[in-house]
Amino acid sequence: GENVEQHPSTLSVQEGDSAVIKCTYSDSASNYFPWYKQELGKRPQLIIDIRSNVGEKKDQRIAVTLNKTAKHFSLHITETQPEDSAVYFCAAGYSTLTFGKGTMLLVSP
Amino acid sequence: NAGVTQTPKFRVLKTGQSMTLLCAQDMNHEYMYWYRQDPGMGLRLIHYSVGEGTTAKGEVPDGYNVSRLKKQNFLLGLESAAPSQTSVYFCASSPPGGNTDTQYFGPGTRLTVL
Repeated sequence: GENVEQHPSTLSVQEGDSAVIKCTYSDSASNYFPWYKQELGKRPQLIIDIRSNVGEKKDQRIAVTLNKTAKHFSLHITETQPEDSAVYFCAAGYSTLTFGKGTMLLVSP
Repeated sequence: NAGVTQTPKFRVLKTGQSMTLLCAQDMNHEYMYWYRQDPGMGLRLIHYSVGEGTTAKGEVPDGYNVSRLKKQNFLLGLESAAPSQTSVYFCASSPPGGNTDTQYFGPGTRLTVL
């Protein structure tokens, strides 16, 4: 089955800095790569996703890149704000999703 | 639209007791999923369904059973609860476009097994 590794497990940045979270996957058949944000005590919510026929996707301050050859994808958040503080999960799959273990992002004012 | 709802929000069980978690969605989604979330482990798929009357095993199915008698409902059962099943359980659903599509999550059920 699919195996997704996510790094780092925690990331602390100053407000205004950029944050990058990286994930690798093992199954070359995976074709869908979403990123979810989960605030404390809340449900995971999709923030951006990318499919295997696209190398990069951007939505305002958030961007995702995908390297199919190397089997890794990354989340980039620019101009971070305190409200970006949360746990971020990557996932990969083609029929069901396998999630990474999460990255706790702390943005200090 | 209420989206994805889960019942109950919290539950405490004793070892060996049984219970059923209910997930309901009003978005006409074909696919539904049950995950468990443990600290440091991310979300792990327990069982899923690709349509009414169908179920399939996920990554961690042991100790759980599911049923999808109606398209809008997906039930997760614990026949004999164990402390290892203490977790937060999330239900999710995907639109008819396919299961590699946005999954919408419910608010979660926090289960403690003593």
